[in-house]
Amino acid sequence: GNSVTQMEGPVTLSEEAFLTINCTYTATGYPSLFWYVQYPGEGLQLLLKATKADDKGSNKGFEATYRKETTSFHLEKGSVQVSDSAVYFCALKMRGSTLGRLYFGRGTQLTVWP
Amino acid sequence: EAQVTQNPRYLITVTGKKLTVTCSQNMNHEYMSWYRQDPGLGLRQIYYSMNVEVTDKGDVPEGYKVSRKEKRNFPLILESPSPNQTSLYFCASSSPAGVAGELFFGEGSRLTVL
Repeated sequence: GNSVTQMEGPVTLSEEAFLTINCTYTATGYPSLFWYVQYPGEGLQLLLKATKADDKGSNKGFEATYRKETTSFHLEKGSVQVSDSAVYFCALKMRGSTLGRLYFGRGTQLTVWP
Repeated sequence: EAQVTQNPRYLITVTGKKLTVTCSQNMNHEYMSWYRQDPGLGLRQIYYSMNVEVTDKGDVPEGYKVSRKEKRNFPLILESPSPNQTSLYFCASSSPAGVAGELFFGEGSRLTVL
């Protein structure tokens, strides 16, 4: 089946620290990969995506590279800010799927202290 | 403004009292879905709909019903709520065409069943 595994949180960092949130996937085909972010009291919103192997998605200083050989899509940011405090979800969608369904990881809570 | 609107945002009810959480999107999306979010479990899909009058079960459909009579609306119905349905609920929509259709989420509806 299709599934996503991401590192458990919570993750607590000081401002300007380097961030990595690990995400690996299992898929029966060739998925597209996503990171969604949920700020406190809000719904999820797309942070970045990659649709094929070796693609790098990037947005707001975050980036993630689609690694087919390791079935991974780790999220990184070089210097986090307090405003990055949120829950981060890794997700996949199967290519060619007409269902529109995303498979989500369990989420990783990030707290950044000033 | 493109958006997914859920109502109510907060609700406290009692066991057995039927309730409906409404969801409406203004993006003409074919695909709509309901998720529930619980601590440590991430997002789990309840039901989804590919288009008007086409609905199907997700991973945790027990105790819920949905309908899709109009393209823009996808209400979630709890016929006889129980305390284990206390959760944060999200409606989402997308246009599934292509491999990287982004899911747009509502702001969430926090339900407490006493």
